[in-house]
Amino acid sequence: DTAVSQTPKYLVTQMGNDKSIKCEQNLGHDTMYWYKQDSKKFLKIMFSYNNKELIINETVPNRFSPKSPDKAHLNLHINSLELGDSAVYFCASSQIQTFSENTEAFFGQGTRLTVV
Amino acid sequence: SQQGEEDPQALSIQEGENATMNCSYKTSINNLQWYRQNSGRGLVHLILIRSNEREKHSGRLRVTLDTSKKSSSLLITASRAADTASYFCAPGTSYGKLTFGQGTILTVHP
Repeated sequence: DTAVSQTPKYLVTQMGNDKSIKCEQNLGHDTMYWYKQDSKKFLKIMFSYNNKELIINETVPNRFSPKSPDKAHLNLHINSLELGDSAVYFCASSQIQTFSENTEAFFGQGTRLTVV
Repeated sequence: SQQGEEDPQALSIQEGENATMNCSYKTSINNLQWYRQNSGRGLVHLILIRSNEREKHSGRLRVTLDTSKKSSSLLITASRAADTASYFCAPGTSYGKLTFGQGTILTVHP
C-alpha cells in the first residue's frame, strides 16, 4: 500500500483554469504538508496542517487554498492558474511527537503541473 | 525562513569513492534530517540527528552535526551508481515546519 498518494501525477491545463490536487495518507499521521518544487529543484513549503488545522501558511498567493476534510486528506485547490504555477507539487505527512520536534516525513510521488 | 543550504550544488564522483555533502543553517535547531530524491520521485528520509548528538551512522551513511558552527555533513561511503540522486537537509525548528533548500545533486559514475 502506498503510504502517501497524490493524484493526478500529471496535470496540464490552460491559464485561468481552476484545478485540484488530492493527497491521502494511510500512516495515521497528524501532520500533512504541501510543497512546491520549481525547475531549479528548490523545495518550498506552502502549507502545513495538523489534525485538520492550518498551522503553517507561507507566503502563498490566496489563489491556493488547501482543504483538509479529515486528518488523512489534504487537498490543494488552485484558482486562476498562472504560467508561474508550473512546478512539481509534493504532499507529505509526518507524526510530530512533541510540540517542537519534527520527525520523519513521508512524501508522495509528486504532481507535475504544467500551465500553458 | 529557516532552511538548510546544501553545498556543493553538484558533486560528481566515481563508484567506490566517498561523497560528502554539507548543510548550513542559521538558527537553533531541535534536530536535522537528511533526505534523498531520485529523479522524478518524492523525497525519502535517510537519517535524523538530534541537536544533542554529534554523529550518527546508518549503513553507509554517516552524519555529523556541529551546532556551534550551525552545520551538518552527510558522508556516503563506497558510493554506488544507485546513490545518484539529489540530497536535501532539513533543519528542524518550528513545530510543523519542515523546510528544505536546493539540495546537492550527486552523480556517481559506474
